Amino acid sequence: DIQMTQSPSSLSASVGDRVTITCRASESINNYLIWYQQKPGKAPKLLIYAASILQSGVPSRFSGSGSGTDFTLTISSLQPEDFATYYCQQSYITPLTFGGGTKVEIK
Amino acid sequence: EVQLVESGGTLVQPGGSLRLSCEASGFMFSNYWMTWVRQAPGKGLEWVANIKEDGSQKRYVDSQKGRFTISRDNAKNSLYLQMNSLRAEDTAVYYCARVFHSYTSGSYVSYFDYWGQGTLVTVSA
Repeated sequence: DIQMTQSPSSLSASVGDRVTITCRASESINNYLIWYQQKPGKAPKLLIYAASILQSGVPSRFSGSGSGTDFTLTISSLQPEDFATYYCQQSYITPLTFGGGTKVEIK
Repeated sequence: EVQLVESGGTLVQPGGSLRLSCEASGFMFSNYWMTWVRQAPGKGLEWVANIKEDGSQKRYVDSQKGRFTISRDNAKNSLYLQMNSLRAEDTAVYYCARVFHSYTSGSYVSYFDYWGQGTLVTVSA
């Protein structure tokens, strides 16, 4: 199975900060990498697919990059509604696997 | 508007069985792969199973193979997850989601674009 490792597991940041979350796959997954945002008590929400393509309706302050084994989710200017947990997921091969999540908290 | 509504979650004893349902609306259900993802309390997301548009292909995470069965009824726009021999570690919120396939950068990529609100399964004596 492909292991997905996210770092950090949590971070504290202020409104307006630039935030970067990394996701590493245990083997190459090309660009089959998805990012989701989840708020407490809610279902995950799709942010980015194919490593860098923004889902329709997602603010442009979110961006994704990477290919192969190393990927990054960047929030260019953190907004109050962005405090949440973020998950990466590989769709290269089953079993589909998620990273452990990165919780973004208010500093 | 795409909607996915799960039901069937409840308290069940270890060793028991349960069938979860997911009713879809707002899109042509029979045109999409569907999936189940679960989340144990305070934990991360875990993919459970996928099923093809016509039900002819099913894929499972190994730890649930043989205990869980995914199925669908396209006439009823419904997805199901039959869970047998339930264990305490199966306690989780179970989400159904639509699988979207997109041809991007020379390859087909898939992702979960719409999710239901989840249904809680608690396995406890």
